[in-house]
Amino acid sequence: AAGVIQSPRHLIKEKRETATLKCYPIPRHDTVYWYQQGPGQDPQFLISFYEKMQSDKGSIPDRFSAQQFSDYHSELNMSSLELGDSALYFCASIGNYGYTFGSGTRLTVV
Amino acid sequence: AQKITQTQPGMFVQEKEAVTLDCTYDTSDPSYGLFWYKQPSSGEMIFLIYQGSYDQQNATEGRYSLNFQKARKSANLVISASQLGDSAMYFCAMREGGRDRDDKIIFGKGTRLHILP
Repeated sequence: AAGVIQSPRHLIKEKRETATLKCYPIPRHDTVYWYQQGPGQDPQFLISFYEKMQSDKGSIPDRFSAQQFSDYHSELNMSSLELGDSALYFCASIGNYGYTFGSGTRLTVV
Repeated sequence: AQKITQTQPGMFVQEKEAVTLDCTYDTSDPSYGLFWYKQPSSGEMIFLIYQGSYDQQNATEGRYSLNFQKARKSANLVISASQLGDSAMYFCAMREGGRDRDDKIIFGKGTRLHILP
């Protein structure tokens, strides 16, 4: 069965650079959630989209923005990167019961 | 206030033994869902099991079962006959609201399980 696809898997950026993370949800699933998981931490909710509209917002910095496109894929744009942004970024869409997560993008800011 | 509490930061268990990972939750919503996820060192988040608040029976999925005690707001994960490959971080998570509501899920702090040969 098709899963949630995230790209890239790994990303290394320098401070103050920008990064774009992509998420392709399960086909025909219209809701996407973004999470940030710092080293040794639990995943923290950032933002979600339903039918291309923002549906909920968590602890997402103002330097980050996201959107969902007509094909339901979503992009998380991160600007003025800081060392503290180094984390594993997950997106998820809803399966039968569980929220199916992608493999994540590991962002390292140097 | 923490909505999901996992009191065991780490556990060491002998291979083939059963394991119980504790999880308590806090919600005033009568309709909610509880999840367990496994995160191996590779980082992926693997869905294990789901329990709805109105489900009459405890959920089971192969070697995984969820010991759901609604009055105690407890949703412990039981892994039977543990294997070396079960070594990972385990997260308990909750969604408030019924399944028709596409609400976010929130995670506990996790329990790191080590299976010893």
